[in-house]
Amino acid sequence: DAGVIQSPRHEVTEMGQEVTLRCKPISGHNSLFWYRQTMMRGLELLIYFNNNVPIDDSGMPEDRFSAKMPNASFSTLKIQPSEPRDSAVYFCASTEQQGMSNQPQHFGDGTRLSIL
Amino acid sequence: AQSVSQHNHHVILSEAASLELGCNYSYGGTVNLFWYVQYPGQHLQLLLKYFSGDPLVKGIKGFEAEFIKSKFSFNLRKPSVQWSDTAEYFCAVNSYNTDKLIFGTGTRLQVFP
Repeated sequence: DAGVIQSPRHEVTEMGQEVTLRCKPISGHNSLFWYRQTMMRGLELLIYFNNNVPIDDSGMPEDRFSAKMPNASFSTLKIQPSEPRDSAVYFCASTEQQGMSNQPQHFGDGTRLSIL
Repeated sequence: AQSVSQHNHHVILSEAASLELGCNYSYGGTVNLFWYVQYPGQHLQLLLKYFSGDPLVKGIKGFEAEFIKSKFSFNLRKPSVQWSDTAEYFCAVNSYNTDKLIFGTGTRLQVFP
């Protein structure tokens, strides 16, 4: 049974470049979450979707960040333009049954992003 | 606003020692509580969860946690740790009617043989 799939696993790019992170949730899961993990700030929720609709994007740092979920099996997180302070590990997670908040979130392996 | 506090940032133990990691949350309503583990270089995995019933919950790998409502706590315990338990542990909470999880800052556990 495939888990949450994220790509790329590692990304190194120069500041100012556009970065696109990708996530495929577990089939049948209705909710998808994007997190950012850093040593300084820990694990932060950036945005989450229910049934492909963004529900809460209050964690998105600024306008340089955007996220989309065009269908139930794919989501992207885009940073444009990227800055060194965006360097972090970005995790995607999914869960089933929107509104059933006792369901655990299943995490992908993350994308380790380094902006030079 | 909800928040989760993990007071132990870094814990160092020898194998066979007992473990207790603290977790306190701030929310007055009904909550669901989770402990996740992140092994070095890996993604977060669920250890255990509480949403109703017996406040003492048992998870994988011999871990357990006790929900004490009066203390707003959900401490993680293991009677005898192993070297393979070296990881970072995250407590998380959400309120009953939301999918949004609030994570603590994590506790890094190092177990030496």
